[in-house]
Amino acid sequence: SQQGEEDPQALSIQEGENATMNCSYKTSINNLQWYRQNSGRGLVHLILIRSNEREKHSGRLRVTLDTSKKSSSLLITASRAADTASYFCATDEADSWGKFQFGAGTQVVVTP
Amino acid sequence: GAVVSQHPSWVICKSGTSVKIECRSLDFQATTMFWYRQFPKQSLMLMATSNEGSKATYEQGVEKDKFLINHASLTLSTLTVTSAHPEDSSFYICSARAPSLGNSPLHFGNGTRLTVT
Repeated sequence: SQQGEEDPQALSIQEGENATMNCSYKTSINNLQWYRQNSGRGLVHLILIRSNEREKHSGRLRVTLDTSKKSSSLLITASRAADTASYFCATDEADSWGKFQFGAGTQVVVTP
Repeated sequence: GAVVSQHPSWVICKSGTSVKIECRSLDFQATTMFWYRQFPKQSLMLMATSNEGSKATYEQGVEKDKFLINHASLTLSTLTVTSAHPEDSSFYICSARAPSLGNSPLHFGNGTRLTVT
C-alpha cells in the first residue's frame, strides 16, 4: 500500500515562481526522501532528510519535515522550465530498512 | 555516484510469452534490490524486495509465480514476467541501495516499458 499522500496532484507555474508540494505519511520513519521523475524515465534522488532533522537545503530546494504531523514539504525556488517533472516523496519506514514507500506524486509544469 | 542499469528499456511481446528484465548495479554491490511497477500518471508500487542469495520477498497481492525474481549476484537482479498478458503491460523500475550504515538514497534504473499484445 502507498504510504504517502501528496498534494497538490498537479501544479502549473511560470518560470521564476516558487513551487511548493506537500507529503503526508502514516508510520514512523528513519528518513524521508524526495525524488524527481521525467516522463518515462527512472527516478532521480533530490534530497534526504533524517527523522531528527527539521529542515534541509540543497541548491534551489528546501525540504521541511514535521514528524509530529507526519508531513514534509518540498519547495523549489526560482523555478525553471527544466524543473518540469513529477516529484515523489518516499519514506524509509522505521521497522523496515530499505523498504521505501512512495507518495502519489505531484506533477509540476513550469512554463517559460 | 552509484549507477543502476536496467535493460531492456522497452519490450513488446506477445501474450503468453515470458520477458526477462535485468537490473545491474554498475559501481557498487547491492545485497538488496527493489522492483517497482508504475502505471501511467501514478506512483510506484513496490512489487518485491530482491535479496542476493535468497528468495525474494513479495508484497501482498503480487503473484510470485507470475513475477519471478532472481538475485544471483551482488550486482544483478532479474525480474521475469511469465506468461505475460496485456494487463501486465506497465513500466517496471528497479532500484538498489548502496551499502551504508543507513539513511542512504535509492538509485534507480531508467525503467522498462513492457507492452504485451
